[in-house]
Amino acid sequence: GQQLNQSPQSMFIQEGEDVSMNCTSSSIFNTWLWYKQDPGEGPVLLIALYKAGELTSNGRLTAQFGITRKDSFLNISASIPSDVGIYFCAGHTSSGTYKYIFGTGTRLKVLA
Amino acid sequence: SQTIHQWPATLVQPVGSPLSLECTVEGTSNPNLYWYRQAAGRGLQLLFYSVGIGQISSEVPQNLSASRPQDRQFILSSKKLLLSDSGFYLCAWARTSFGLGYEQYFGPGTRLTVT
Repeated sequence: GQQLNQSPQSMFIQEGEDVSMNCTSSSIFNTWLWYKQDPGEGPVLLIALYKAGELTSNGRLTAQFGITRKDSFLNISASIPSDVGIYFCAGHTSSGTYKYIFGTGTRLKVLA
Repeated sequence: SQTIHQWPATLVQPVGSPLSLECTVEGTSNPNLYWYRQAAGRGLQLLFYSVGIGQISSEVPQNLSASRPQDRQFILSSKKLLLSDSGFYLCAWARTSFGLGYEQYFGPGTRLTVT
């Protein structure tokens, strides 16, 4: 099925560094969602975005809904060891479909 | 608040045996329900979704089927498991109207190993 392009695929960073990842699509979305998945667990919703240009924060996490509605960005500031995991983006369009399109995931590893 | 349950948490089944995974949602009504499968280290593959009791949409032709006998219950089944059915199965729910947002929430997952 369709997947969103998410980059980077994986990254190693030092504790305390800032992290940026993004998601791009060939289609327009009305909703962008960002999730974090720890090993052996279900993805947990971090941030939901509903409006082009919207910038939303959740603690050290900040996500943006791209102006073109075809991309979204997630930033993590001052990373800590518990930020380790896989981050997924997901897009949703309200026009007659109930499906969510997921990104391929960014695997984050934090070096203490 | 809303809660989503899945059971069992882990399952080891022989090839050719039947399968039944259950998902229930609490604290909301008329949710959209979803089954995903995730291979190790991979992304999420949508298997089925349901917008109401008895309404099932299949995304991938396969050895599995889904049913929604009650508003907040979603079941994933197979009559005869294949080795390729192994994976991490995730149930999810989402609200159905924009006024309440389009967030999708996942359950804890079921790890299925077919031997």
